Amino acid sequence: KQEVTQIPAALSVPEGENLVLNCSFTDSAIYNLQWFRQDPGKGLTSLLLIQSSQREQTSGRLNASLDKSSGRSTLYIAASQPGDSATYLCGLNSGYSTLTFGKGTMLLVSP
Amino acid sequence: ETGVTQSPTHLIKTRGQQVTLRCSSQSGHNTVSWYQQALGQGPQFIFQYYREEENGRGNFPPRFSGLQFPNYSSELNVNALELDDSALYLCASSLESGELDTQYFGPGTRLTVL
Repeated sequence: KQEVTQIPAALSVPEGENLVLNCSFTDSAIYNLQWFRQDPGKGLTSLLLIQSSQREQTSGRLNASLDKSSGRSTLYIAASQPGDSATYLCGLNSGYSTLTFGKGTMLLVSP
Repeated sequence: ETGVTQSPTHLIKTRGQQVTLRCSSQSGHNTVSWYQQALGQGPQFIFQYYREEENGRGNFPPRFSGLQFPNYSSELNVNALELDDSALYLCASSLESGELDTQYFGPGTRLTVL
């Protein structure tokens, strides 16, 4: 059974800092991994999707990496802004496009 | 905006009642998955419907049931509501039920059971 852990559970940084969110998983037999953003009480917004054959994906200030052999993915956010404040979730697709999620990292970026 | 819509936005029920939640998938998508997200937790997979048939189920009891219609919209039904069913219910649609398909999530329905 796939288990997903996200560290840290919460993170508070001043505006402008670069930061890294971590996601680890127990079963490396995955098809892809998605990073999502969730604002309080809202749905999930997909940020980046990495296929199992890829090592990283970039979108603007976001960069996600995937190391299947070590069961880890990281989400790097450059030059953080207050608007980045949200909960970040990683979801692993191990088949049939169903996702297994971690509990998320709650990020607060202060002005 | 993902094009996935859910109704209602919020719902309050009492223990023992039944509830129906609805989801309209993104245009062209034939697969809908439902997730339950308790407060402070990640979403948990309930089940998936692909071309009107159940195509996988998570660790949820039979009182959680679903339906997918010919236009690929979907319903989640929960019978005999319990306090622990209070959660955000999310649906997600994808183009196909395949390994490479991205899931697009709706805004969710917040269910409170009193």
